[in-house]
Amino acid sequence: DAGITQSPRYKITETGRQVTLMCHQTWSHSYMFWYRQDLGHGLRLIYYSAAADITDKGEVPDGYVVSRSKTENFPLTLESATRSQTSVYFCASFPGGRGYEQYFGPGTRLTVT
Amino acid sequence: GQSLEQPSEVTAVEGAIVQINCTYQTSGFYGLSWYQQHDGGAPTFLSYNALDGLEETGRFSSFLSRSDSYGYLLLQELQMKDSASYFCAVRDRAGNKLTFGGGTRVLVKP
Repeated sequence: DAGITQSPRYKITETGRQVTLMCHQTWSHSYMFWYRQDLGHGLRLIYYSAAADITDKGEVPDGYVVSRSKTENFPLTLESATRSQTSVYFCASFPGGRGYEQYFGPGTRLTVT
Repeated sequence: GQSLEQPSEVTAVEGAIVQINCTYQTSGFYGLSWYQQHDGGAPTFLSYNALDGLEETGRFSSFLSRSDSYGYLLLQELQMKDSASYFCAVRDRAGNKLTFGGGTRVLVKP
């Protein structure tokens, strides 16, 4: 299906476990982003990528790792999950250039116990 | 860095007009975007201003004053389905990243 998808949609994990959240887009957009949204708050940028093999830190990168070996995929890994990483995670893509709309995936609700 | 301020909550009745203000402080500015998010959903794009002035898209309009570091989103003829959170977001100088405000929750009452 066309668009941007995230998996899993819901995840419960324990403190200290490694967790990987997946993001896939079918538009071949250059830019991809990971945000976290805590209850009642705005979105904060974790990491972003301008192209395959190019990634950079956002506002809150600590505790997270990303990779982008293919344009369409941008996985986010929590190396050792902590309770403070309980949040809703959104992936987004953006074509760059004259475009101005970021397209968001449906989100992954992560609970760390 | 970037910081944005917008009211946390607004309540209005169906058919009314609501204005959501957004002031920003930024080290680099390319444009101001607005996104809508319903409870449990993903943010969706509403409007974008790169230049001063008003942009109209149906019942929604967005305004920008770059000299005042200020913008607003105007929601007209409010409908129940407009109950959602609305976020302003500054696009950075490079034009590719967004920094979001904390969001304004709009509650539309019958």
